[in-house]
Order: sequence, then C-alpha cells, then structure tokens
Amino acid sequence: DSGVTQTPKHLITATGQRVTLRCSPRSGDLSVYWYQQSLDQGLQFLIQYYNGEERAKGNILERFSAQQFPDLHSELNLSSLELGDSALYFCASSVDLGAGGGIEQFFGPGTRLTVL
Amino acid sequence: DAKTTQPPSMDCAEGRAANLPCNHSTISGNEYVYWYRQIHSQGPQYIIHGLKNNETNEMASLIITEDRKSSTLILPHATLRDTAVYYCIVMVKSNFGNEKLTFGTGTRLTIIP
Repeated sequence: DSGVTQTPKHLITATGQRVTLRCSPRSGDLSVYWYQQSLDQGLQFLIQYYNGEERAKGNILERFSAQQFPDLHSELNLSSLELGDSALYFCASSVDLGAGGGIEQFFGPGTRLTVL
Repeated sequence: DAKTTQPPSMDCAEGRAANLPCNHSTISGNEYVYWYRQIHSQGPQYIIHGLKNNETNEMASLIITEDRKSSTLILPHATLRDTAVYYCIVMVKSNFGNEKLTFGTGTRLTIIP
C-alpha cells in the first residue's frame, strides 16, 4: 500500500460524457502527478500540481483538466469522452529524497476508465 | 531527458539473480538513473536510483558504468513476485520539484519457478 488513494476503482461511461477522478496523496506530500496508461501509448505523464498550483504539463488533452485543492487532494476531469480515452489513470505523489537527488513517486492503484 | 533502451523481455529462474540492462548513451552529467517496476496493472513502484556511484537498497542493486552510458539493475534472489515490467528512466532533478517520469516500454521480466 503506497498510501495514495484513488477513487473510483472502475468507471464505465458512454462517449460524450464527463467524469471526475479523485486522488488523495500521501500525508505530507505536496506534489500530485497524473498519468494515463493505455494499450497503445503506454504510461504517459499528463499533469503535475504542487501545493495547489499547476507545475508541469505533459500530453494532456484540452478536454481534460485537473486541480489540486487546499487539502491537497486532486481531481482529474475528463470531458467529451471518446472511445480512445479508455485507459488506466494513475495518480502519484512525491516526497523529496533529499540531497542525494531525485524524487520518489508513490503511485496509487489507479482508476480503470472504460468508455463505451 | 536522455533516451533509454531496454530489452523487451527476459526470463530468470526463481532464486537466481536477475540482471536487467539499460542503455542510456546520451545521458548528461546531471541526469540520474531511476528504476521503477509495474506489477500487472498496479501502480508503478519505485525501486532505486543513482547518479554515478553504485547503489544498493533492500530491494535491489544498481550498477552504473564508469562512463554512465549504461546501467544494470540487479535483483539478487528473484522470487515469483518480482515478475513485472521494469522501467529504466533517466531524468534531471530540477530545483522546482517537477520531475515528470517519462516511461519507455520497459523490460517484461518473468520469473520461472
């Protein structure tokens, strides 16, 4: 158990709909990252928030948006859903490993989104 | 970030050491080598990282060549639970905490009983 929680575990919806995925980071972690894993694209970074502010952006579609709230939980909003948005969506949070460099990211169990 | 090359798949007998290679010939001096693994659709799990010295923790050892163009992750006594996809990632540590992980295709390691 990484300490990162994601809800829901599974989500089945129809094309054109909008869904919200929720992530609670580990206690004390200020950074939240969202990743998408699809069969054809592999694991891809979408977006990062640090203490409520957007910090880095990856290959995130304009139909997708995210935010991080004062209590540090984050939500990923996916709208106008298409069949190709079916994927596993992972949230991760991070803690600095210190002067040795690098940041270890702790991943949640993921939300499996199926768009029919 | 530098590109990495890993073999697509490897097998290892249970109880033996699993040695997973990674080539990163274009690595820069300030780029670290990280290893993560993903066990069957679970969230990826951090294993180890290093800059130029060899590193060891409770999970694995990381051997980085002197020229830093390649590295090897060693799982000393592989168990069936080590069956997973292993990702080698090369990344600069920024000053602003925006370390996005760029995952390649990784190596699918299968531990054989």
